[in-house]
Amino acid sequence: DIQMTQSPSSLSASVGDRVTITCRASQTISSYLTWYQQKPGKPPKLLIYAASSLESGVPSRFSGSGSGRDFTLTISGLQPEDFATYYCQQSYNTPYTFGQGTKLQIK
Amino acid sequence: QITLKESGPTLVKPTQTLTLTCTLSGFSLSTNGVGVGWIRQPPGKALEWLTLIYWDDDKRYSPSLKSRLTITKDTSKNQVVLTMTNMDPVDTATYYCAHLFYGGYRPFDSWGQGTLVTVSS
Repeated sequence: DIQMTQSPSSLSASVGDRVTITCRASQTISSYLTWYQQKPGKPPKLLIYAASSLESGVPSRFSGSGSGRDFTLTISGLQPEDFATYYCQQSYNTPYTFGQGTKLQIK
Repeated sequence: QITLKESGPTLVKPTQTLTLTCTLSGFSLSTNGVGVGWIRQPPGKALEWLTLIYWDDDKRYSPSLKSRLTITKDTSKNQVVLTMTNMDPVDTATYYCAHLFYGGYRPFDSWGQGTLVTVSS
């Protein structure tokens, strides 16, 4: 299995801040990396696919980068609705493993 | 509009078999390139990928759970069924089904609301 490691596991930030979450794969996954946002009691929502492609309807303050093993999700100008948990997932090989999540909290 | 809805028991006893159904709307599993996966999430914990099935009946399983899982599709009913045998309290989780396209670049673009399954005697 490909292991996905996210950091940090939790993060405190303020509205308007720029934050970055990283995800590292245990082996190369090309650009088969997806980012999801999950709010309590809701299913995950796809934000970024193919490492850097913004899903339709997702605000442009979300961006993704990386390839190979190292990836980042950046949120520029945090909004109140962005406080949630973020997961990365690789889809290079099954099992399509997820990272352990990053909880973004209000400072 | 693509929608998915999970249904099944909310409570199962240890050692029992869990059967969950995902009813699809807005798409068909008889369409080339389409797939449906199952993902679960224990309370307060991370997401865990379980299994998926494609339009051509290609099936993939999590190696750690493969011996306990079976995924099938019924295209006439537009449903996908997940069975998990020998349930244990550690299997308590919200179970989601989700839509994907073959190829992997854009997995799980639509999700069901999830169904919480509790394993307890």
